[in-house]
Amino acid sequence: DAGVIQSPRHEVTEMGQEVTLRCKPISGHNSLFWYRQTMMRGLELLIYFNNNVPIDDSGMPEDRFSAKMPNASFSTLKIQPSEPRDSAVYFCASSERTSGSAQFFGPGTRLTVL
Amino acid sequence: ILNVEQSPQSLHVQEGDSTNFTCSFPSSNFYALHWYRWETAKSPEALFVMTLNGDEKKKGRISATLNTKEGYSYLYIKGSQPEDSATYLCAPHYGGSQGNLIFGKGTKLSVKP
Repeated sequence: DAGVIQSPRHEVTEMGQEVTLRCKPISGHNSLFWYRQTMMRGLELLIYFNNNVPIDDSGMPEDRFSAKMPNASFSTLKIQPSEPRDSAVYFCASSERTSGSAQFFGPGTRLTVL
Repeated sequence: ILNVEQSPQSLHVQEGDSTNFTCSFPSSNFYALHWYRWETAKSPEALFVMTLNGDEKKKGRISATLNTKEGYSYLYIKGSQPEDSATYLCAPHYGGSQGNLIFGKGTKLSVKP
């Protein structure tokens, strides 16, 4: 298995532009998580899905952020419009189930908003 | 806001030293505890998932214990090697089957040859 796949690996964009981050979870995993990593706040959960259904999006910073999981093998995290303070590394992770099983992380997308 | 504390924040040891660090977390509504190893420029990698009070897990030279009543977990590394250098994150899981992980800030371990 290739593990969790994220694209792009690096994204540089200008303030105000729309950014879409993509994730392909490990086949057979039922839960998918989006995290953001910053120096100040560490690793924060943004949203997670169980069987393609969003369960908790309380970590999404504001309305500019949205996430979808149209099927079991694909998820997107969209920021529109992007701002410099959104610059961070965004990780996607998947697990067999929401609770009690280890999460497998993708390589992350490093986002820089100028 | 649930507060997960890891100590020390960073640790420098010599190759061959044994070391341990602590994760403290609120015990109320606890479901499971995860430990992850995070090397620089890579992604977090799962080490252990523990659920029961008194649980002990071992993976090679790394082991962990769990006390759910008082809300702490210890991670031990026996005979540290340079390749053990990484940040070690703990993450308690709350809220039962539909809950989520709350990550600590980690302990950054550097092992000098």
